[in-house]
Amino acid sequence: DAGITQSPRYKITETGRQVTLMCHQTWSHSYMFWYRQDLGHGLRLIYYSAAADITDKGEVPDGYVVSRSKTENFPLTLESATRSQTSVYFCATNRGRKETQYFGPGTRLLVL
Amino acid sequence: GIQVEQSPPDLILQEGANSTLRCNFSDSVNNLQWFHQNPWGQLINLFYIPSGTKQNGRLSATTVATERYSLLYISSSQTTDSGVYFCAVQFNNDMRFGAGTRLTVKP
Repeated sequence: DAGITQSPRYKITETGRQVTLMCHQTWSHSYMFWYRQDLGHGLRLIYYSAAADITDKGEVPDGYVVSRSKTENFPLTLESATRSQTSVYFCATNRGRKETQYFGPGTRLLVL
Repeated sequence: GIQVEQSPPDLILQEGANSTLRCNFSDSVNNLQWFHQNPWGQLINLFYIPSGTKQNGRLSATTVATERYSLLYISSSQTTDSGVYFCAVQFNNDMRFGAGTRLTVKP
């Protein structure tokens, strides 16, 4: 049972390039989330999705785009990467709205 | 948005000691969860605890929703307990994390 997988695990890119981070879950959980973790800020919610084709903004959505055409996938796209988007990105899922949250292993992104 | 404050920010213990971590939040919430981030960066859910008390081995948690705080108790600490402990609260679908308590357990 793979649970939640994220790819790539590490990524180096340059300012202005488009980058897509992938999140895949095998549990058929309804809810999926994207967070970024930076020193001094803890984890901050970027976007979340309550079901396929339903997405909404979190605390820090600017510069990011998400989609969810299938229940199991929730890609996060940085349309034009900036240095301030250097961070560790975590994907998470809940089976339902008021349920335990499970995290993927994270993707370390460096924008040069 | 909801504010989440955790204390203390840092905690150093000798193996075998007990500790209490606190999480205060500024508004009514739908649920509250505690997570442990190990030194390799992995986030593990410890408790889903919108109210009441739960125990899991050496760890227990209590949330008093009416007074807007939660406590995480670690008894007989072990070096493997080291890492950062996060409290996260949810209002509707918005999740907010505290800044964490960094725990170091020395052998």
